[in-house]
Amino acid sequence: DAGITQSPRHKVTETGTPVTLRCHQTENHRYMYWYRQDPGHGLRLIHYSYGVKDTDKGEVSDGYSVSRSKTEDFLLTLESATSSQTSVYFCAISERPGQGAGELFFGEGSRLTVL
Amino acid sequence: TQLLEQSPQFLSIQEGENLTVYCNSSSVFSSLQWYRQEPGEGPVLLVTVVTGGEVKKLKRLTFQFGDARKDSSLHITAAQPGDTGLYLCAVTSGTYKYIFGTGTRLKVLA
Repeated sequence: DAGITQSPRHKVTETGTPVTLRCHQTENHRYMYWYRQDPGHGLRLIHYSYGVKDTDKGEVSDGYSVSRSKTEDFLLTLESATSSQTSVYFCAISERPGQGAGELFFGEGSRLTVL
Repeated sequence: TQLLEQSPQFLSIQEGENLTVYCNSSSVFSSLQWYRQEPGEGPVLLVTVVTGGEVKKLKRLTFQFGDARKDSSLHITAAQPGDTGLYLCAVTSGTYKYIFGTGTRLKVLA
């Protein structure tokens, strides 16, 4: 199994509070991703990183920010959580996206509930 | 608007039956991947198809990439309860992004 650890695995918080989810990898892969998963929507890309301090927006980036100060860590921050951000969040890593894409390896997910 | 539409959204069948699920788009892709996700876990790659018309087999699973590279199908022969899960297709968009379809949730009853 790819060495990807997400923390926390479960969190319940209140509307308006800040939340940070952490993704830590031991594979030294350059590319890292944050997705959210909701019923009927599959996986939707929030933000991704193509190197240290290099990040870009995905399909559903509003209300989220990310940071990557080290190759192994990718943080997802909800500055002021809302109930619409209740979801399961997955971190993923890849060594070779693009044409002839390589495998995307996923963490076990972080379940966030915003009351 | 989703880039990739999967159908059906849900499928419940008896053990031993055959089934096909689809992944469709109006865009052309250089490659397409299929993942399976079991409850409480992250998705796991099943296959990558890269050539129009390509057919790949993985035991009882047969994957086909459309000739125009806009769509793909996954056929399961003699489904088993262990095939239960969420099946997701994915493509790379731009240089780095992986975009996923809406998913097909399969339940195989013993």
